[in-house]
Amino acid sequence: GAVVSQHPSWVICKSGTSVKIECRSLDFQATTMFWYRQFPKQSLMLMATSNEGSKATYEQGVEKDKFLINHASLTLSTLTVTSAHPEDSSFYICSALGESSYEQYFGPGTRLTVT
Amino acid sequence: QKEVEQNSGPLSVPEGAIASLNCTYSDRGSQSFFWYRQYSGKSPELIMFIYSNGDKEDGRFTAQLNKASQYVSLLIRDSQPSDSATYLCAVRDRGSTLGRLYFGRGTQLTVWP
Repeated sequence: GAVVSQHPSWVICKSGTSVKIECRSLDFQATTMFWYRQFPKQSLMLMATSNEGSKATYEQGVEKDKFLINHASLTLSTLTVTSAHPEDSSFYICSALGESSYEQYFGPGTRLTVT
Repeated sequence: QKEVEQNSGPLSVPEGAIASLNCTYSDRGSQSFFWYRQYSGKSPELIMFIYSNGDKEDGRFTAQLNKASQYVSLLIRDSQPSDSATYLCAVRDRGSTLGRLYFGRGTQLTVWP
């Protein structure tokens, strides 16, 4: 149980285009999901906290107009990187808070490369 | 700013040895602590969590918590090459009802045969 999927697992896009990443909780409902970014040899950096049916809460320094988050249902949150640039190339990982609200279950991650 | 510090490593141990991973945190009131393992190119997976002072054992893994010293560690007994990964310490934000975690930078462990 407690499986989180992400799609796509990797994506290459051209500079200036937008990319959407999906995060799904497959066998449980997640009212809260988290979006992280991880650069090589770095730790996870929280970008935003996503709650179903409400606006996401962004961490300081994360542009909410660039990283659009939608949590439209209890099993799906999406992150859209708008007008992507090479410096947005990174490993994007989502996690979902389990029904016990104690453990975070991580998705497999999406590797984004912007050329 | 809540900080989570880990011994930077990399840590290298022979197969069968005990690997010791350490973590300190800045928020004295923190209650819950997590250890994640992350293989290269993969997302983190939870190994175990601890919230009471003392030791918590799960198979070859033992988490140790000392809240007075603001210190949490992970011991891996009988280390195997498959344990080679980066280990992330995470502390739950006590001020957050949403389960926000603060992560350390991770310690890279290599277990050589």
